[in-house]
Amino acid sequence: QVQLVQSGAEVKKSGASVKVSCKTSGYTFTDYSMHWVRQAPGQGLEWMGWINPKNGGTKYAQKFQGRVTMTRDTSISTVYMELSRLRSDDTAVYYCARAWNYGMDVWGQGTTVTVSS
Amino acid sequence: ENVLTQSPGTLSLSPGERATLSCRASETVSSSYLAWYQQKPGQAPRLLIYGASSRATGIPDRFSGSGSGTDFTLTISRLEPEDFAVYFCQQYGSSLTFGGGTKVEIK
Repeated sequence: QVQLVQSGAEVKKSGASVKVSCKTSGYTFTDYSMHWVRQAPGQGLEWMGWINPKNGGTKYAQKFQGRVTMTRDTSISTVYMELSRLRSDDTAVYYCARAWNYGMDVWGQGTTVTVSS
Repeated sequence: ENVLTQSPGTLSLSPGERATLSCRASETVSSSYLAWYQQKPGQAPRLLIYGASSRATGIPDRFSGSGSGTDFTLTISRLEPEDFAVYFCQQYGSSLTFGGGTKVEIK
């Protein structure tokens, strides 16, 4: 079955960077783009961008331009999201989600990132 | 950016009742690009509806989506105990945005 398994929780200091991984299985990795979405505590969903695993092409939400980098490693069917210059308001659960029909049909379990000063 | 406004913020209903959730966009959305999700506490969202009205795999037929242009609706015909959750709409145009969510709670 299709699965997205994300890396574990992270605690970072303000100003640091975090890199979250999303390992895929159960489908052809290069056939589907991958979105990254975050959710601050008690808040709604916020789209960060997507990556096309076939060619590495990316599109980032304007809010995160210059601070986010999405990459992939086709040899291990894994995508990554790195967020730099962390602030306290970056504390959130970060999800990878497979792109499908202009929505997101399979989601990772989420990675909690806590930013402390 | 296309802003999605969901209403009401909270819907208090009893099991067996009908739930009608609204999602209004600040700009026209192509129907193909409108989706709905359900999220329960501590879980990732789950895709319910894509293309404004098509149910995702395994979604019961009590969930239905409708609408076009700037006004979209998610209807749950008869609420089951497992349907009490938060629901988000999402559009994908030049950028991708989510609505703020509607919480469906037990009355």
